[in-house]
Amino acid sequence: ETGVTQSPTHLIKTRGQQVTLRCSSQSGHNTVSWYQQALGQGPQFIFQYYREEENGRGNFPPRFSGLQFPNYSSELNVNALELDDSALYLCASSSSGRATGELFFGEGSRLTVL
Amino acid sequence: QQQVKQSPQSLIVQKGGISIINCAYENTAFDYFPWYQQFPGKGPALLIAIRPDVSEKKEGRFTISFNKSAKQFSLHIMDSQPGDSATYFCAASNSGGGSNYKLTFGKGTLLTVNP
Repeated sequence: ETGVTQSPTHLIKTRGQQVTLRCSSQSGHNTVSWYQQALGQGPQFIFQYYREEENGRGNFPPRFSGLQFPNYSSELNVNALELDDSALYLCASSSSGRATGELFFGEGSRLTVL
Repeated sequence: QQQVKQSPQSLIVQKGGISIINCAYENTAFDYFPWYQQFPGKGPALLIAIRPDVSEKKEGRFTISFNKSAKQFSLHIMDSQPGDSATYFCAASNSGGGSNYKLTFGKGTLLTVNP
């Protein structure tokens, strides 16, 4: 069983730029969620995708957007980067068919905005 | 508004001791309470989870105690080992049916187990 994989693992951008982060969900999982984890904080929910549609969104501005593809992989796009966007971005996959609600997280993409 | 409050922020325990981490929540619609363990450079991994229809769940050395009336839950790690040294997060969600498992996390507890 292949776990959740994210790319890139690290990247550095400057303020105002745009970034795309990618996630491959665990085999058999059809739901992908994205979380932002600032240094020393717990993960914060950005949004979730199910059947290629956004299915719930946290308190993040529209410049945070996403996509889910037919193979259930996903992208997180952030436009007009700000210094406060520096964080670890975590992708988590789950199966809508499971009642446990368990999320399987990837190792994250660490974004630094200068 | 912080919906899940976690304490302590950090905890140092001797090998073989008991580690206790506490969380309190505000949203009475929450019906799923997992604990995640995160090692440096890794993503969080599910440790143990509980639903409000039971007051305690035990898996090996890890136990969740749940108090619905007080809106509190805690993680107990028995016989703590140096390999347990990690950051622990409590979380909560309102499953609401279907696939919408949005987790609200606490701020985390850095556990250090000294040999």
